[in-house]
Order: sequence, then structure tokens, then C-alpha cells
Amino acid sequence: AQSVAQPEDQVNVAEGNPLTVKCTYSVSGNPYLFWYVQYPNRGLQFLLKYITGDNLVKGSYGFEAEFNKSQTSFHLKKPSALVSDSALYFCAVSDASGGSYIPTFGRGTSLIVHP
Amino acid sequence: GAGVSQTPSNKVTEKGKYVELRCDPISGHTALYWYRQSLGQGPEFLIYFQGTGAADDSGLPNDRFFAVRPEGSVSTLKIQRTERGDSAVYLCASSLTGPELWNGYTFGSGTRLTVV
Repeated sequence: AQSVAQPEDQVNVAEGNPLTVKCTYSVSGNPYLFWYVQYPNRGLQFLLKYITGDNLVKGSYGFEAEFNKSQTSFHLKKPSALVSDSALYFCAVSDASGGSYIPTFGRGTSLIVHP
Repeated sequence: GAGVSQTPSNKVTEKGKYVELRCDPISGHTALYWYRQSLGQGPEFLIYFQGTGAADDSGLPNDRFFAVRPEGSVSTLKIQRTERGDSAVYLCASSLTGPELWNGYTFGSGTRLTVV
């Protein structure tokens, strides 16, 4: 079985400060890892993915995430937050080792960036 | 089309009624996925189609839920004898190939189903 934990329901950060949204995962094989963002009344939008290769992954809108196998984490980061980054962020994992490959999503973390 | 289209955007139905939710994927996308998102939760997988066939329906909660994709394009999620617990946003996504050759899902905006 595969699962994702997003331990924070909400993250508050001031505009211009760095942000981190945490994600830990559990899979029996090798993980594919994803981050998606959801704005109000909009569909989920893909931000970035880790499939293989470099542990530091760069994605859309200046976001990046670091795959840490020993800590089974894939935290989302951005060096300087914008008010427009305020949204709901979802981490997802799928099992790339003969599993179904269908992603399992976390509960989501609400990011609020204050002006 | 340019994106994944889901209709209706909102649906209110009475407990016990039958509903159909429609998803029109991106043209040429062979894979189509249905997810359900309850309030305060992440998307929960329901079913995955590769072409016309259901490749994985392990997420369907019970036999009241059924989905079809007869021509390998548009898909319809059908819910019989709706219950208040079925209230959620139903999301559809499509991708060019199946998830084992991952190249990105595109999600629709969802159908908000409310059972009263």
C-alpha cells in the first residue's frame, strides 16, 4: 500500500520569505512523487515531479522539491513567496516498482502568503 | 479540446436518485481517471480507463458506482441510489499514456455533487 502524509493543514508565510510545505510518503517499491496546486474553483495543476535522477527537482512558478530517500520526504520549497502563491497544495505518490502507478494524494496543505 | 471538460459543474440531487457525471478528456489522451474529493480531503482514486476498458476500478467504493468510456474518449460516471455521503467534488483527469509512462495528468475543474 502507498500513502502520503502532509502534516500541516495550513502554512502561513510573509511575502518575500522562503516557504516550505512538508510531505512524507510510504511505498513498498520505488516512488514517483508529485506536487499539485489547486486554486479555488479550479482543477488541480501540476507543479513538479520526481521520477528518477537528481534529487532536487525544479518545477513551475519557481517551486522546487527535494527527494530524500532516507527520510522518505519530498518537501516543496520556494525561496521567495508571493501572495499569488496562496492556494491548496497536494503531494502525491505512486509505486513505480510493479505497482499500479496510480497516484495517491495527501490531504492537502493550505498555503497563505501574507502581504 | 484544449483542456479536460467536466459537466455539469454543479449537481444537486435528492437522496436515492440516479446521477451521471460527464468527462470530456483532451483529444488523443488514451488514459482517463476519475477521482473523488471530499471536503478537507485530497483526491481519492476511483477508476482508471486505458482506451475503452477499465484498467483499474479498485477505487470504486461499492456497486452503486459505475463508469463507462464506450468509444475511448468521453467517460460517464454513474451513481445509483445516491446517498448524502456521496456529496463531493468528482474530478476527472486524462493523460497521453498510462501512468507507468508518466507524462502528466491534466485535471478538469470537477463536478460538485450535493445529495440532499
